[in-house]
Amino acid sequence: KAGVTQTPRYLIKTRGQQVTLSCSPISGHRSVSWYQQTPGQGLQFLFEYFSETQRNKGNFPGRFSGRQFSNSRSEMNVSTLELGDSALYLCASSSQGLAKTQYFGPGTRLLVL
Amino acid sequence: GQQLNQSPQSMFIQEGEDVSMNCTSSSIFNTWLWYKQDPGEGPVLLIALYKAGELTSNGRLTAQFGITRKDSFLNISASIPSDVGIYFCAGENSGGSNYKLTFGKGTLLTVNP
Repeated sequence: KAGVTQTPRYLIKTRGQQVTLSCSPISGHRSVSWYQQTPGQGLQFLFEYFSETQRNKGNFPGRFSGRQFSNSRSEMNVSTLELGDSALYLCASSSQGLAKTQYFGPGTRLLVL
Repeated sequence: GQQLNQSPQSMFIQEGEDVSMNCTSSSIFNTWLWYKQDPGEGPVLLIALYKAGELTSNGRLTAQFGITRKDSFLNISASIPSDVGIYFCAGENSGGSNYKLTFGKGTLLTVNP
């Protein structure tokens, strides 16, 4: 079974731009969660989508948004990029949506200049 | 967002030694999880704990869910070079509308062969 895939793996943007990241979950998994990982703040939960609906949300500003398609693939969008948005963005898929059943992808490393 | 207090931040040990790391929180969690992250990859779940006092093993790894539900520890016995990586704890409260998933900042483990 193929694992969680994320594209692109690396991305460089400038302040003020927007970015869209993609995550393809493991086949059959209906839940996709997104996380931001930085050296300063560590791993932080962004949001979770289940069957095309946002089910849980972390404590991030509205510039961070996401969506999920009918095939369970998910995209995360960050608008009006700030330098502090530079991070590794991880997605994880799960059949149930709980952390104990999640499998993480390798992440997309975003650098904002 | 809120962080768990994970310690130590880093450890440098000799192969064969035992390792212990822990996480504490001011909040109660109903699930504690321990992950390992290798460079360039997403975290991999090692152990999940579901009730206070629970002690669970996974090979050379042993983790416990604290009685107060505000802490957890992870022990690694007889360390080997492939144990090198960053270990994260996470606390999860699921169910209801107040979902919370919070991570520690990680313990960087280096094993000297």
